[in-house]
Amino acid sequence: DAKTTQPNSMESNEEEPVHLPCNHSTISGTDYIHWYRQLPSQGPEYVIHGLTSNVNNRMASLAIAEDRKSSTLILHRATLRDAAVYYCILREVAGKSTFGDGTTLTVKP
Amino acid sequence: NAGVTQTPKFQVLKTGQSMTLQCAQDMNHEYMSWYRQDPGMGLRLIHYSVGAGITDQGEVPNGYNVSRSTTEDFPLRLLSAAPSQTSVYFCASSRAAGGPREQFFGPGTRLTVL
Repeated sequence: DAKTTQPNSMESNEEEPVHLPCNHSTISGTDYIHWYRQLPSQGPEYVIHGLTSNVNNRMASLAIAEDRKSSTLILHRATLRDAAVYYCILREVAGKSTFGDGTTLTVKP
Repeated sequence: NAGVTQTPKFQVLKTGQSMTLQCAQDMNHEYMSWYRQDPGMGLRLIHYSVGAGITDQGEVPNGYNVSRSTTEDFPLRLLSAAPSQTSVYFCASSRAAGGPREQFFGPGTRLTVL
């Protein structure tokens, strides 16, 4: 199963952009890149996903490298409610998803 | 829609006891899965199902059984609980098994094995 690597923690100031990196050098051609976030004592919540092209939705943007071996989740203006653990995962065609240990994002007021 | 529901929210077992964690979804999703999350770590896949009657193993299946007799329900059975199974268990579902499908997670069951 393909794995992802993320920094353990990152800090941001409120209302500033945040770029959360993820490496997935063993990604296969059919794996989708998904991002989820998890607040304390809750289940993970979907943020965004993509295959090859950059993606935008109301929560965030996803930038995918041309070789697909890395991606970056972009929160355009961090708020205190964005403080969470962010997981970058690869979802196989068969549906299996492999989670790493995620990045803990701290947002400072 | 209630989404993905899990029962119980909390459970304490003694070593050797068996129990079933319940998971149900009302979104008519084909794909369902079980994860465990140990403190400070990410989620690890235990078992998954791509439809009623079909199940398969994930990364850490030992000590757990699953069955999928209906689309809605995907119970996880602990055969003989061990302290190493102390964890938070999450159930998730998605419309289908394909790569682009968003997964919806339940609120979790916090299990302690003494």
